[in-house]
Amino acid sequence: EAGVAQSPRYKIIEKRQSVAFWCNPISGHATLYWYQQILGQGPKLLIQFQNNGVVDDSQLPKDRFSAERLKGVDSTLKIQPAKLEDSAVYLCASRLMLRQTYEQYFGPGTRLTVT
Amino acid sequence: TQLLEQSPQFLSIQEGENLTVYCNSSSVFSSLQWYRQEPGEGPVLLVTVVTGGEVKKLKRLTFQFGDARKDSSLHITAAQPGDTGLYLCAGAGSSNTGKLIFGQGTTLQVKP
Repeated sequence: EAGVAQSPRYKIIEKRQSVAFWCNPISGHATLYWYQQILGQGPKLLIQFQNNGVVDDSQLPKDRFSAERLKGVDSTLKIQPAKLEDSAVYLCASRLMLRQTYEQYFGPGTRLTVT
Repeated sequence: TQLLEQSPQFLSIQEGENLTVYCNSSSVFSSLQWYRQEPGEGPVLLVTVVTGGEVKKLKRLTFQFGDARKDSSLHITAAQPGDTGLYLCAGAGSSNTGKLIFGQGTTLQVKP
């Protein structure tokens, strides 16, 4: 079974520029998550999708971050405009909808550096 | 707001030593997971504990869920350099959304 795919793996941009990340979850996984992981910290949930609907985006900075999962499969996360404090690893994870113990499967992440 | 506190944050030991990592909260979790993350990779699930007092073993790793389901520990026996990495605990709340709250992680370095 293929894992969660993310691209690009690395991205360097200047502040105020825009950037987009792509995620393709494990086939059949209805739930998709985007996390931000700042160096030395645990992942922080940005947004959770169930199929193509948003379940939780309470910690998404909506003035600059947006995400979509139009067909309920792959997803994109966008930052516009980027700030220095957005430098982090952006992780995508997916989960089978009906699994009670909530195991999540993570992609390798995109490391973003904002200069 | 549910929070998970991990301790210690950093641990550097020699090969063959034992260690314990703690994950504590004032909140009750329906389940708790432990992940290991290596540089440049996403976290990989090690174990899920669900029942208060539950103990699970994975080779040299022993995981325990507190009786009140508010805390957990990870014990590694005879650590090896391959155990080096970031260990994360993550708790699932009572809602059905599957949302996980992650601790800040424990960075473990095992020197040969």
